[in-house]
Amino acid sequence: NAGVTQTPKFQVLKTGQSMTLQCAQDMNHEYMSWYRQDPGMGLRLIHYSVGAGITDQGEVPNGYNVSRSTTEDFPLRLLSAAPSQTSVYFCASSPEASGNTIYFGEGSWLTVV
Amino acid sequence: SQQGEEDPQALSIQEGENATMNCSYKTSINNLQWYRQNSGRGLVHLILIRSNEREKHSGRLRVTLDTSKKSSSLLITASRAADTASYFCATDESGATNKLIFGTGTLLAVQP
Repeated sequence: NAGVTQTPKFQVLKTGQSMTLQCAQDMNHEYMSWYRQDPGMGLRLIHYSVGAGITDQGEVPNGYNVSRSTTEDFPLRLLSAAPSQTSVYFCASSPEASGNTIYFGEGSWLTVV
Repeated sequence: SQQGEEDPQALSIQEGENATMNCSYKTSINNLQWYRQNSGRGLVHLILIRSNEREKHSGRLRVTLDTSKKSSSLLITASRAADTASYFCATDESGATNKLIFGTGTLLAVQP
């Protein structure tokens, strides 16, 4: 099992560019989420999804867009990158939203210059 | 804002000593989880404790939960250099929020 796979691992963007961080899981999990991790801030929830076709906002959704057309995939789109979006991004999945272990990808390091 | 706050922010101990980390949270929860993160890697689940449980063990890990004080502690006994990592608590709020909110983490350094 690959688990949760994120691509790319590293990316440098110019301010104003758009890009998509890909996330795929092969565990047939209903719940998927995106977090960003900044020094001293822990992990903050950006968006989450409780199943295909259903998404909702987390703590810090501004500047990001998500969709969930399939159970396996949950891409995160940066609409117009800003230096404040320089961060490490983690995708995660679990069988359900509550009371289950969350499985994390290995992270995507994004720098916006 | 963060739901969980870990204390201390950083902890340095010698191999063989016990390490205790604390987590405080703000709202009623369904459960609380602890995760570990090695430098440059994703988070790995350690243990989950439900709101109706007070203590849980897993190997060298002991977790307690006090819902009246809205706090939890993670004890790692007989620490090893390989335990060096950041440790995070995460809370699953009561109600249908479908959100797992993480604290700011404790950086544990175990000196050989």
